[in-house]
Amino acid sequence: GAGVSQSPRYKVAKRGQDVALRCDPISGHVSLFWYQQALGQGPEFLTYFQNEAQLDKSGLPSDRFFAERPEGSVSTLKIQRTQQEDSAVYLCASSFDPRSVNTIYFGEGSWLTVV
Amino acid sequence: ILNVEQSPQSLHVQEGDSTNFTCSFPSSNFYALHWYRWETAKSPEALFVMTLNGDEKKKGRISATLNTKEGYSYLYIKGSQPEDSATYLCAFRGMNYGGATNKLIFGTGTLLAVQP
Repeated sequence: GAGVSQSPRYKVAKRGQDVALRCDPISGHVSLFWYQQALGQGPEFLTYFQNEAQLDKSGLPSDRFFAERPEGSVSTLKIQRTQQEDSAVYLCASSFDPRSVNTIYFGEGSWLTVV
Repeated sequence: ILNVEQSPQSLHVQEGDSTNFTCSFPSSNFYALHWYRWETAKSPEALFVMTLNGDEKKKGRISATLNTKEGYSYLYIKGSQPEDSATYLCAFRGMNYGGATNKLIFGTGTLLAVQP
């Protein structure tokens, strides 16, 4: 499709399990973002890629979180040894040109529940 | 710590009512203010990107204003319809020494419920 695509849409993980969340940005979009939204909160920034370069990972909450975008298109957010506090919606977003003000387009999110 | 606040937290109105909500953001190092509409289980839908002080944007029955000097934006919905029911999020994008930052700082949203 033409929008940002994320998978899986819903994931239930047992505590301690590793999970991988995938994001397919809009074709041609240079910038890619990951956000985490916990219940009752607004989305919080996790990390930012410009093409394949991860320019900002200041929002990753711990070293259990890792993101990559090896070819500058699809990105994966990996969470190792999941904990209950990792339960959240993980939103991926993309935009065309990081040098100017553009619309940032979001996917539908991956809803992660850690039990 | 940069803080973006939205009020009210939730709003229940009748079909046909007009409504408005507020987004407050830092008045310094401003670059842009984004508004999104988010229905559960769908992707947040971009409504507006606003950059200029005094700017007013409109999309159908929805409009927004921006005051960067005092750090607030209003979103207005004229003649609310049940399909307007959603969470409305604003997000601030700031500047630092290197230019515009890449992260959006979101408020917690205003949940609007429109009763038929």
